[in-house]
Amino acid sequence: DGGITQSPKYLFRKEGQNVTLSCEQNLNHDAMYWYRQDPGQGLRLIYYSQIVNDFQKGDIAEGYSVSREKKESFPLTVTSAQKNPTAFYLCASTRSFDSEAFFGQGTRLTVV
Amino acid sequence: AQSVTQLGSHVSVSEGALVLLRCNYSSSVPPYLFWYVQYPNQGLQLLLKYTTGATLVKGINGFEAEFKKSETSFHLTKPSAHMSDAAEYFCAVTNRDDKIIFGKGTRLHILP
Repeated sequence: DGGITQSPKYLFRKEGQNVTLSCEQNLNHDAMYWYRQDPGQGLRLIYYSQIVNDFQKGDIAEGYSVSREKKESFPLTVTSAQKNPTAFYLCASTRSFDSEAFFGQGTRLTVV
Repeated sequence: AQSVTQLGSHVSVSEGALVLLRCNYSSSVPPYLFWYVQYPNQGLQLLLKYTTGATLVKGINGFEAEFKKSETSFHLTKPSAHMSDAAEYFCAVTNRDDKIIFGKGTRLHILP
């Protein structure tokens, strides 16, 4: 079945550590997105990518980095510069800008 | 620039009553509009979408939405609420030239 896989489902990070969240899709979609979700704040866009080897900052990119070396993969690194990383992270993909988004099941990151 | 406004961060309805979740959008070009549902600790699932054609769109689980260009609205309705409808609902807008934009979400509570 085609879809988006995020891993891990739960992740714990010590302060000062970088962690990488995985996002893989087998839908052959061109565009991929990372969102952060906090209670009452909806979805906030971190980064998005329209094609391989190209990506753009979203509304809250500070403290995060991404890469898009393969069409099917769009990993997100939460760096130590992100001061409040505890949140639910969602990855999504779209065939093109005018089509619906498909979402992974999310990764819940907690700083311990 | 596009934007989406969802009126009411929380909506409560009695089981069996009408569900109405409001969404207004702003777009300088013809929009594509979507409603998504999110259950706790999961990703978002597409409920329904409007691209072109018929303005009344039917989705899964008995939901429907009507695109009203004159009112720039895309409200979500369901004639009779069920306990299983309790979730968070997101309205989204996109077009051919820009990334998808989500509203802040409305949490639907179903009262027994």
